[in-house]
Amino acid sequence: EIVLTQSPGTLSLSPGERATLSCRASQSLTSNYLAWHQQKPGQAPRLLIYGASSRATGIPDRFSGSGSGTDFTLTISRLEPEDFAVYYCQQYGNSQITFGQGTRLEIK
Amino acid sequence: QVQLLESGPGLVKPSETLFLTCTVSGASISSHYWSWIRQPPGKGLESIGYTYYSGSTSYNPSLKSRVTISVDTSKNQLSLKMTSMTAADTAVYYCAKWGGSGDLDYWGQGTLVTVSS
Repeated sequence: EIVLTQSPGTLSLSPGERATLSCRASQSLTSNYLAWHQQKPGQAPRLLIYGASSRATGIPDRFSGSGSGTDFTLTISRLEPEDFAVYYCQQYGNSQITFGQGTRLEIK
Repeated sequence: QVQLLESGPGLVKPSETLFLTCTVSGASISSHYWSWIRQPPGKGLESIGYTYYSGSTSYNPSLKSRVTISVDTSKNQLSLKMTSMTAADTAVYYCAKWGGSGDLDYWGQGTLVTVSS
C-alpha cells in the first residue's frame, strides 16, 4: 500500500496570503496519479486537482498543483475566505486508492 | 450534470450486514470505475474499494474479507455490502466516480451509518 503523508497537519493563514500544502508518497507514483480534494464541514469532498497539476472543471486558477515522483504540492496563491477547509491528497497505484491524513487550513 | 445519491439504513446493529446503494444520473455506470469511501466522524477518508461494470473489483486489504462491491447496469446503480458491522464502522459512506487519472471527480453527498444496538 502506498502511504501518503501530508504536512503540515494544520496551517494558519490570513485571507490574501499564499498557502503551500505538501503531500509525500511512500513510493514513486507512476503516471503521477495524484489528486487533491477540498472538504468543508458537513460537505462531501470536491476534486480540485488531478494528474498532479491539472485543475478540475470550475476550479479557480488560484489553485495549482505541482510535483512528481514522491513529492507533491498544492498551492493556493491568494487565500479567499471560502478556501479555509480541509485538504486531502489522494493517489491511485498498485491497484489501490489511498488518501493522506489531511491538512486543515484555518483562518489566523 | 453527474449526480450520485447514496441510500440505505442510517442505523445498523453490531454483527449485522450493511447494504448501501448509490444511484447515478448523468453518467453511465458501464463507462467508468466507481468507488466507495468512508469517513468516521471527525476523521479522514478511507477507501473501501472500487469496481468496473465488467466485475473487476479491488478492495482495501483491511476490509476485503467483509466487503462486496457490485454494479447493476439496468438500474445504473452501485452497491456496497459490508458484513459483521461493529462500532468502528460508524462513518459517513460516500460513493464516487473515477475520472481519467485515478482521481475521484464526482462524489455523492454521503450517508451516515451508525452501528449501535
